[in-house]
Amino acid sequence: AQSVSQHNHHVILSEAASLELGCNYSYGGTVNLFWYVQYPGQHLQLLLKYFSGDPLVKGIKGFEAEFIKSKFSFNLRKPSVQWSDTAEYFCAVNAPLLNTDKLIFGTGTRLQVFP
Amino acid sequence: EAQVTQNPRYLITVTGKKLTVTCSQNMNHEYMSWYRQDPGLGLRQIYYSMNVEVTDKGDVPEGYKVSRKEKRNFPLILESPSPNQTSLYFCASSLAFLPQETQYFGPGTRLLVL
Repeated sequence: AQSVSQHNHHVILSEAASLELGCNYSYGGTVNLFWYVQYPGQHLQLLLKYFSGDPLVKGIKGFEAEFIKSKFSFNLRKPSVQWSDTAEYFCAVNAPLLNTDKLIFGTGTRLQVFP
Repeated sequence: EAQVTQNPRYLITVTGKKLTVTCSQNMNHEYMSWYRQDPGLGLRQIYYSMNVEVTDKGDVPEGYKVSRKEKRNFPLILESPSPNQTSLYFCASSLAFLPQETQYFGPGTRLLVL
């Protein structure tokens, strides 16, 4: 069965610091990859997604992620975080040839940004 | 406004007392899904539905039932809730289950089973 790992459970940064959150998945075939964000007290929102084409994907609010197939990774990055980026971030994977209709989520990374 | 709504938003109940959490979307989406979110475990899919009258189990379906009699509604039923079902529940929908289709999430229902 496929799995998604987010090794950083809790990240604390100061404003203007650079951010990289790790996401690794276990399936070697075709994958669709997603990053969702959950601001405090709110529902999940899609940050960005990759399903084909340029492996460097740009999302909303200055976030980007890079799909590296050889490393089974889809790390989320932002060059300069803001206090408003404080949230929980979830990586998710769909493997259309394995289980077509399901999204598998990672356990999440809680980001705290201090002014 | 395009949205996914859930009711109730907060619920405290006792073991064994049947409950239903409603989910409704006004975007004519075919795909709908229920997740539970627990600390350290992230989101896990309970059930999903590709269309009316088509439902399937997710990763953690035990203790839950769903129905999809109409396109817009996808209620989650706990016939006999137990304390291990205390969780935060999210409903989601998308036009279809394709990677280019964004999933829209509801606001969540926080359930406490005593």
